[in-house]
Amino acid sequence: ETGVTQTPRHLVMGMTNKKSLKCEQHLGHNAMYWYKQSAKKPLELMFVYNFKEQTENNSVPSRFSPECPNSSHLFLHLHTLQPEDSALYLCASSQDGAGRETQYFGPGTRLLVL
Amino acid sequence: KNEVEQSPQNLTAQEGEFITINCSYSVGISALHWLQQHPGGGIVSLFMLSSGKKKHGRLIATINIQEKHSSLHITASHPRDSAVYICAVSGGGADGLTFGKGTHLIIQP
Repeated sequence: ETGVTQTPRHLVMGMTNKKSLKCEQHLGHNAMYWYKQSAKKPLELMFVYNFKEQTENNSVPSRFSPECPNSSHLFLHLHTLQPEDSALYLCASSQDGAGRETQYFGPGTRLLVL
Repeated sequence: KNEVEQSPQNLTAQEGEFITINCSYSVGISALHWLQQHPGGGIVSLFMLSSGKKKHGRLIATINIQEKHSSLHITASHPRDSAVYICAVSGGGADGLTFGKGTHLIIQP
């Protein structure tokens, strides 16, 4: 138990659906991250939020839309996804996003797009 | 953009063996992270280091900043050490991590 929770743990959706992934951290951290892990590829950074402000968008397609309403919660809104978006989506948090901090990962949401 | 290379990609060893996993990167960093990922996906941070050496139980991590290289060692390996070990680097500032492809380690009893 890392103090970072993600829901749902598994999600199957069609290409026309809209769904949201939720991440919550109970560590009092100020930075939160979304990462994507596809089969046979390294983990990739998607978004960084620091003190609720988005500080990094790693050229992610607009069909992925992040939202950070407060420092404890992070959402990833999904719409009109493609089958190649099927992957494990991981959320992480760290104290202040200063780069030299341990990141704490959630268990991930395994997404299948049909 | 930093390129992170890990070797070996796959490693199978017998219980008790000394294990070494290597990581190299192309651009200067603020910190290097070693992570462990078990089947099912959960990731745990093992070490974060910017210089020298750190030890935690049977795990040792070293980094050589000049050579842009780090190693993760496991002494007296055990089947429960079987996992994917991932090297990642951070460049400083409010950025995320850049990851290597991981080393899939299997320790056989």
